[in-house]
Amino acid sequence: EVRLLESGGDLVQPGGSLRLSCAASGFTFSSGAMNWVRQAPGKGLEWVSTIGGTGGNIYYADSVKGRFTISRDNSKNTLYLQMNSLRAEDTAIYYCAHRKNWGPFDSWGQGTLVTVSS
Amino acid sequence: EIVLTQSPATLSLSPGERVTLSCRASQSVSSQLAWYQQKPGQAPRLLIYDASNRATGIPARFSGSGSGTDFTLTISSLEPEDFAVYYCQQRSNWPITFGQGTRLEIK
Repeated sequence: EVRLLESGGDLVQPGGSLRLSCAASGFTFSSGAMNWVRQAPGKGLEWVSTIGGTGGNIYYADSVKGRFTISRDNSKNTLYLQMNSLRAEDTAIYYCAHRKNWGPFDSWGQGTLVTVSS
Repeated sequence: EIVLTQSPATLSLSPGERVTLSCRASQSVSSQLAWYQQKPGQAPRLLIYDASNRATGIPARFSGSGSGTDFTLTISSLEPEDFAVYYCQQRSNWPITFGQGTRLEIK
């Protein structure tokens, strides 16, 4: 069974930084594309970033490009999202999601809440 | 960017009824479209992938159809646990995009 557990969400001031983590288990971590998807309070889903199994093939939404960095440590089965220059509009629940063979988001974590406010 | 437009925004129905949700893409996504269900306080759950394939463990009352730009998700007979928000999502082109969602409410 695929299990994804996000952590690192917090209250941070505008312009601040935060690093999210997603611990994975139940599958061969290095074989799957991993992703971050966010959901602002009361809003819909927004894809944020994707990283391929080996750490190459990285993609970002325009809304976070140049501010967020996705990475993974396959030896620790962990996905990361380094978030810099945070803005109020980055306030959301951030979900970690798995994609097998670049398919749909077949497994999701429970999310971690990031609040950007002074 | 491919825009996905879901309709209607909200539906009020009763258990046992049949429902069809629509998702229209601004350009062709071939069959690279998925549907997700999200209940309050929970993460989304994959229902349908590649337009018409049910994900593991999804009941047979859920079905998907379509290709190109027009897609539908049908629930043949609503169960109480089906009242939720439903999203479509395309992976044909970067960036990956989601529809704005359809809320299914109990009448």
